[in-house]
Amino acid sequence: GAGVSQSPSNKVTEKGKDVELRCDPISGHTALYWYRQSLGQGLEFLIYFQGNSAPDKSGLPSDRFSAERTGGSVSTLTIQRTQQEDSAVYLCASSLGSGSTDTQYFGPGTRLTVL
Amino acid sequence: AQSVAQPEDQVNVAEGNPLTVKCTYSVSGNPYLFWYVQYPNRGLQFLLKYITGDNLVKGSYGFEAEFNKSQTSFHLKKPSALVSDSALYFCAVRRFRDQGGKLIFGQGTELSVKP
Repeated sequence: GAGVSQSPSNKVTEKGKDVELRCDPISGHTALYWYRQSLGQGLEFLIYFQGNSAPDKSGLPSDRFSAERTGGSVSTLTIQRTQQEDSAVYLCASSLGSGSTDTQYFGPGTRLTVL
Repeated sequence: AQSVAQPEDQVNVAEGNPLTVKCTYSVSGNPYLFWYVQYPNRGLQFLLKYITGDNLVKGSYGFEAEFNKSQTSFHLKKPSALVSDSALYFCAVRRFRDQGGKLIFGQGTELSVKP
């Protein structure tokens, strides 16, 4: 079946611009995660959605970052007033449930470059 | 706090030889442990996980991992390496009963298999 999809695959933007990154989870998966992968920081958790519950935003690095998940499916990660340090690969993952044994399946990522 | 260490940035192996990619963890309570592989410009692919039971876990593409509670390790192994196994490997941990818990990743190990 279809895996997690993300768009765009690459995004180049200028410092100060806003960007939106999209994630389509695996159909039927109720949990959705965003991570960031950068050279200096490795893989970092950003935010987590489970059903209609309030998201866990504990990993968002600043208030310039926000995310929403509409209809319990598609999610959008928005970065406002982008900075060069936001350059990274943004990975989305989904899992069937939110139990600690549930496997997270990752999308191909969006490579963001801030000039 | 939970943490994962992958002590080797790079592992070099000749094709046909056994390979080991090391991972140690620190977590309060029982851990759930995962291995993922990342090929160039791709997202993370799930290889295997340890939840409970047999300490030797078998996964995709002939990989296996051994959970050692006393040494707090979860090393990834394969009896005979292939050139196509060359990739970046990540170990991750999640805490027992950590509902909706994010994965905590190690820094990754670059595996290079030469013909």
